[in-house]
Amino acid sequence: QKEVEQDPGPLSVPEGAIVSLNCTYSNSAFQYFMWYRQYSRKGPELLMYTYSSGNKEDGRFTAQVDKSSKYISLFIRDSQPSDSATYLCAIKGNQAGTALIFGKGTTLSVSS
Amino acid sequence: ETGVTQTPRHLVMGMTNKKSLKCEQHLGHNAMYWYKQSAKKPLELMFVYNFKEQTENNSVPSRFSPECPNSSHLFLHLHTLQPEDSALYLCASSQENPGNTIYFGEGSWLTVV
Repeated sequence: QKEVEQDPGPLSVPEGAIVSLNCTYSNSAFQYFMWYRQYSRKGPELLMYTYSSGNKEDGRFTAQVDKSSKYISLFIRDSQPSDSATYLCAIKGNQAGTALIFGKGTTLSVSS
Repeated sequence: ETGVTQTPRHLVMGMTNKKSLKCEQHLGHNAMYWYKQSAKKPLELMFVYNFKEQTENNSVPSRFSPECPNSSHLFLHLHTLQPEDSALYLCASSQENPGNTIYFGEGSWLTVV
């Protein structure tokens, strides 16, 4: 089993839709959970960061971590064409020196 | 402008060429990374440097040779690459602390012909 699983999509939604992006992971030792957004031909940029379980909200974006199910989600409300990008989940353990482990990324297209 | 700058942004090289990718971070971080991003695959960690010392090499072929002269600069030297090495090469940096996130550069698009 891969350490992080993410459905690559593509996912196409109309403008204004609520988008749900998800990842599952296998190692219960992971403590840090991040979402990166990557526009075409650009580097990934950090979008959301969560430590341990719970929710975090930032504007139209909500990150959710369910450690009991080893499941993380990113919700985008009122999606905009400018949200069209690839979204990468990334997970990290608690020890110094451990690197981020990335999912494959989900490609999202929001049509106007 | 991001805090991590990569040059060149695009590179086309023949299989017998030698070239280098350069990365500079302006964030005061002490860890730097090289990642490879190919289509349909997760980001692959290639090398990690902490305080200029290489701490991770994920079974990367020797035709890729990293160099970290100081904590702000990172190079990836390329020699006799294969067409399957064509990819986006991303440099990143962070403070070396479990909870710290990493910040990426814009990447160098490499095409090997």
